[in-house]
This record gives sequence, C-alpha cells and structure tokens, in this order.
Amino acid sequence: GQNIDQPTEMTATEGAIVQINCTYQTSGFNGLFWYQQHAGEAPTFLSYNVLDGLEEKGRFSSFLSRSKGYSYLLLKELQMKDSASYLCAVKDSNYQLIWGAGTKLIIKP
Amino acid sequence: IAGITQAPTSQILAAGRRMTLRCTQDMRHNAMYWYRQDLGLGLRLIHYSNTAGTTGKGEVPDGYSVSRANTDDFPLTLASAVPSQTSVYFCASTKDSDGGGELFFGEGSRLTVL
Repeated sequence: GQNIDQPTEMTATEGAIVQINCTYQTSGFNGLFWYQQHAGEAPTFLSYNVLDGLEEKGRFSSFLSRSKGYSYLLLKELQMKDSASYLCAVKDSNYQLIWGAGTKLIIKP
Repeated sequence: IAGITQAPTSQILAAGRRMTLRCTQDMRHNAMYWYRQDLGLGLRLIHYSNTAGTTGKGEVPDGYSVSRANTDDFPLTLASAVPSQTSVYFCASTKDSDGGGELFFGEGSRLTVL
C-alpha cells in the first residue's frame, strides 16, 4: 500500500528552528509537496520538490532524498503565525496526490 | 478575485437527503478534485477530473458522484447522505494533473449529517 508518515504534533519556541520530517512509500514518484493549513482554513502551497536536494524559499526550506523516501520542511525564525498543520503529499505514478495526516506545529512564546 | 468558490460553507443535513456541494473556479484549470478531510486522517480523494468531460474515482468514491460539464464547475453530489459522510469537503484545482503545479483549494464545506 501507499503510505506517508509524519509526526502528529510538534512544539517549538518563537524565534527557533524546527524540522518536520516526512517519509513515504508510494507506487512511483512524481514530486513531493508541502502545504500549510491553519485551523479552520484551506491548505495553501508551500513547496514542491522533484529532484534531490534543498529548495529554499525565505524562512522555509524543503529537502528531498528520493533514494531514502524522505523529505523535511525546515522553518527558521519561527513566528506565532507559523502555528498550523503542515501537510506532506506525494504524487504517485498515476499523478495522484497521496497525503500524510499532517503535523500540527505549536509555537510557544 | 481569481480562485475557487465553494458553496455552501456549512450545512446540516438529515440522513437520507440528497445534497450537492458546488465548486467553481475561474483560473481555467484543467484538473479539479474533491477531497474530504477528517480529524487524524490525511486528505482523501473522492473524485477527480483531469479535464472537462472526464471524471475518475479516487480513494473513497462510494456514496458520491460528480460531473464536469465545463471547465469551471465541478459539483459533488451525495445521493442519500449518511452520518459517516460528516466531514469537511475541499474542492481543489490545478492547471494540469501531471505537472508540478500547486493545488488551489476552496475554503471548504463543512457538512454534518444527522
């Protein structure tokens, strides 16, 4: 079966750095996405990785290792508004997105 | 403002009733999707459409139907609602299903079936 694993919940301090991991087992791979979802709102796009390596976008970076079936989302200089759920999703061989259950990130002052 | 519009935003429905959730996008995206989101679970795909005139079944299609008569509209119908269909429903679209383009989501429709 297809599976996306990410921690259920993480806590971090304002101003710090946090890394949210995602491991996947899918039938084929056509890219990995990270989305942010604030409580009661729709998910919004953060990043897309299709090749190995690190993609940096402001305070957020996303890393991919296809050989290890592994990705992480790195958030720097955490702000209270970063409190949200972070969803990892992989496009499989049929170009369908398989979603993880999401990681709820709690930022404390 | 360009984007995806869903309606209604919230609805309480008696079991056995028929319900249609509406979804309209004005970005001329080819691919559209319906997901349901339940606590502790990832987004689960109900139905999808890669282009106008075609639809396909996702992971959890039972009890739901869709149509794609044109590019902009992708309604989701519950023929006879059951309590297990209580969920938050998200409509989403992307330019092409096989690309790396981001998914744009509607604001969601919170459905309660009693």
